[in-house]
Amino acid sequence: EDQVTQSPEALRLQEGESSSLNCSYTVSGLRGLFWYRQDPGKGPEFLFTLYSAGEEKEKERLKATLTKKESFLHITAPKPEDSATYLCAVELNTGGFKTIFGAGTRLFVKA
Amino acid sequence: GAVVSQHPSWVICKSGTSVKIECRSLDFQATTMFWYRQFPKQSLMLMATSNEGSKATYEQGVEKDKFLINHASLTLSTLTVTSAHPEDSSFYICSVGTGAYEQYFGPGTRLTVT
Repeated sequence: EDQVTQSPEALRLQEGESSSLNCSYTVSGLRGLFWYRQDPGKGPEFLFTLYSAGEEKEKERLKATLTKKESFLHITAPKPEDSATYLCAVELNTGGFKTIFGAGTRLFVKA
Repeated sequence: GAVVSQHPSWVICKSGTSVKIECRSLDFQATTMFWYRQFPKQSLMLMATSNEGSKATYEQGVEKDKFLINHASLTLSTLTVTSAHPEDSSFYICSVGTGAYEQYFGPGTRLTVT
């Protein structure tokens, strides 16, 4: 069964304390892996797409990496405004769209 | 990417009435759009895939006669919640699918049924 698991469920950091969020997946065929940021009461905001193992993408304090089994979202020196829920999603390699979302990691960054 | 809007951003309706939510793709010709619902502190749950000019494909367990989806143009999809009940209260989010299989989301619509 295709599955996407994110850990931890929640993460509390001090401002400046770097850490990583994990997204592990078991799927029949991977077309791409996506990271989104979601603020309370808003729709998810697209962050990154990763297509193949070894690929890395960066944006400001965020860096996403991909292996054959998991993806990490590294947050370097986070600030309070980085507090949000981070969602991972896997697009399956099928004929059309087939996306599986993880449950998300709620990140809290304290000043 | 794609810029997506939703209207209304929030709506309160009485039990038994119908509510229509619009999803617009402002800068992208959207052949495929998606409708999700999200309960507090939970992830997105796909309700249906909306294809321009054809019938929507509903996920298992989603009542197609209750959640009517119309995707009449490349820029507009609508979700109508018919005979709404309090258990339909949720956050409804639409997204646009691109050729790279990325999805760009609207800001969401908060529905409260009293």
